Amino acid sequence: QVQLVESGGGLVKPGGSLRLSCAASGFSFGDNFMSWIRQAPGKGLEWIAYISGDDYTIHYADSVQGRFIISRDNAKNSLFLQMNSLRADDTAVYYCARRDPAGPHTDYFDFWGQGTLVTVSS
Amino acid sequence: DIQMTQSPSSLSASVGDRVTITCRASQGISNYLAWYQQQPGKAPKLLISAASTLHSGVPSRFRGSGSGTDFFLTISSLQPEDVATYYCQKYNSAPFTFGQGTKLEIK
Repeated sequence: QVQLVESGGGLVKPGGSLRLSCAASGFSFGDNFMSWIRQAPGKGLEWIAYISGDDYTIHYADSVQGRFIISRDNAKNSLFLQMNSLRADDTAVYYCARRDPAGPHTDYFDFWGQGTLVTVSS
Repeated sequence: DIQMTQSPSSLSASVGDRVTITCRASQGISNYLAWYQQQPGKAPKLLISAASTLHSGVPSRFRGSGSGTDFFLTISSLQPEDVATYYCQKYNSAPFTFGQGTKLEIK
């Protein structure tokens, strides 16, 4: 069955960096678009980044553009999010999620990990 | 960017009630609309895609409808396990914006 397991969250000071990982299993990882989505404490969902299976297509939300980098290692079935210049408003649970592989215009998310908490505070 | 607005923000209903949540897009998005359920303390789960296509394993009491700018999620007979926050998400193009959520409680 499809499993996504995030790791790498923790406490970091403002201006610092953190790298999140997402280990995927149960499906052909390299054939699938993947995204990172976050949720600030008590708030709603915010999509922040997206990468195609071949790395060719990458999109970012304006809120993280220029600070965060999404990447993947298909040989290790892993998705990453390098977060730099972190701010207090980046505090959130970060989820990795698989785009539904059903077709070319299916940019919704059929499987989600359990999330990893990132806290940005001095 | 297209904004997604859900109403109401919160809702309380009785077991067995019919419940409807509305999601409005600031511009037309055809049927590129998904709905998710997030139970307390858990990750979101996909309920519906393409505005009205039920995801595998989702109970038939959930129904999605709408097109263009106005979309609806209806639960035909509310069950205790439906206590959750519900989100819509547009996916016609990036950014893949979510609505702010509707928190559903049982009276």
